[in-house]
Amino acid sequence: QSVLTQPPSVSGAPGQRVTISCTGSSSNIGAGYDVHWYQQFPGTAPKLLIYTNNNRPSGVPDRFSGSKSGTSASLAITGLQAEDEADFYCQSYDVSLSTFVFGTGTKVTVL
Amino acid sequence: EAQLVESGGDLVQPGGSLRLSCAASGFTFSSFSMNWVRQAPGKGLEWVSYITRSSSLMYYADSVKGRFTISRDNAKNSLYLEMNSLRAEDTAVYYCARLQFLAWTSPFDSWGPGTLVTVSS
Repeated sequence: QSVLTQPPSVSGAPGQRVTISCTGSSSNIGAGYDVHWYQQFPGTAPKLLIYTNNNRPSGVPDRFSGSKSGTSASLAITGLQAEDEADFYCQSYDVSLSTFVFGTGTKVTVL
Repeated sequence: EAQLVESGGDLVQPGGSLRLSCAASGFTFSSFSMNWVRQAPGKGLEWVSYITRSSSLMYYADSVKGRFTISRDNAKNSLYLEMNSLRAEDTAVYYCARLQFLAWTSPFDSWGPGTLVTVSS
């Protein structure tokens, strides 16, 4: 039912760079609505990681960065660390559905 | 620091009702729009409902429209979700989430730990 599509999983060795894509459409990301990213550890609530496409809340390491172009957005993690293992979700607003929408979610595994 | 704590989750039979609560502290509750977001076991996040600061507007996901009602009491710093005609597919952890700004482009910047609703006979 999600209108934002993410890869189910990505993995990388410690220290590597990984990226997570978030593909939307002309009624959400492509319509100019901002993209936000959340990190969720098992059994805990999501936490805001990146807001308004490429901004980090206080306390979020600069290893995390976001970008947006056209109908898609991406989250990059550089210098991957074991503690980064979690699920990541993108989120935006869809003007056709008149609802907030989340991505399908991506599990990041550190090899 | 903003804190949100949900309560009211329980095991309920299909067709039953439940009322969730979210207690807010550490910020001026009446200044923020609020939401409910849910997550079925092993699944992704799904936005459920939204309410403006003054309760003037409420929105719902199609999956719950007509069955769920969101409300708030700014004097009690509390958010509520009245859930009726519950179905098995409503089984999820329900999160209370604050909308950072007064715009559809805003993120959910504060979340509660969630409360589990299980719909089963």
